[in-house]
Amino acid sequence: AQSVTQPDIHITVSEGASLELRCNYSYGATPYLFWYVQSPGQGLQLLLKYFSGDTLVQGIKGFEAEFKRSQSSFNLRKPSVHWSDAAEYFCAVGAKSGGGADGLTFGKGTHLIIQP
Amino acid sequence: NAGVMQNPRHLVRRRGQEARLRCSPMKGHSHVYWYRQLPEEGLKFMVYLQKENIIDESGMPKERFSAEFPKEGPSILRIQQVVRGDSAAYFCASSAHSNQPQHFGDGTRLSIL
Repeated sequence: AQSVTQPDIHITVSEGASLELRCNYSYGATPYLFWYVQSPGQGLQLLLKYFSGDTLVQGIKGFEAEFKRSQSSFNLRKPSVHWSDAAEYFCAVGAKSGGGADGLTFGKGTHLIIQP
Repeated sequence: NAGVMQNPRHLVRRRGQEARLRCSPMKGHSHVYWYRQLPEEGLKFMVYLQKENIIDESGMPKERFSAEFPKEGPSILRIQQVVRGDSAAYFCASSAHSNQPQHFGDGTRLSIL
């Protein structure tokens, strides 16, 4: 069974500083990987996805993530954060045989706080 | 913009009552997924449905919970005889195919008195 670990429960970053959110997964083959963002009281919005090909993927809102097979990681990065980036971020993995065949497995999330 | 629509947004039930949560997928999407989110937790997969079929219900509690996605109309997640522990946010997602990204609704917040 797949699993996802987001080691950081909370991260505080100053506005304008760079950001990296960590995500490690456990899966027997190459998975589908996703990052979602959730604002309070809202649903999840897809930031980016990795299915295959280039291991550095670009997403919306200036985010990017890099798939590193050797480290079983899919860390999310942004060069300069904005106050509006404050939210909960979830990493998720889906089965390669079909992204929804087993449903997505989510990490517990990282709460991002932006300091002025 | 026809995104994934869930209703109601908030639902309050007393212990022992039934809760019905509805989800209309995005236009053109025939795959529906239900997830539950408890406080301080990520989302937990419950069930995956296509029209008139349950594909994977490995995350559904064995009792009191059921889901359907009829040929016409929204998908329904039904919780019978609710208990306090059922209080959570329930999210629905849809995709065009099983290997396409899932798009989420804004959820239904279920509170049990």
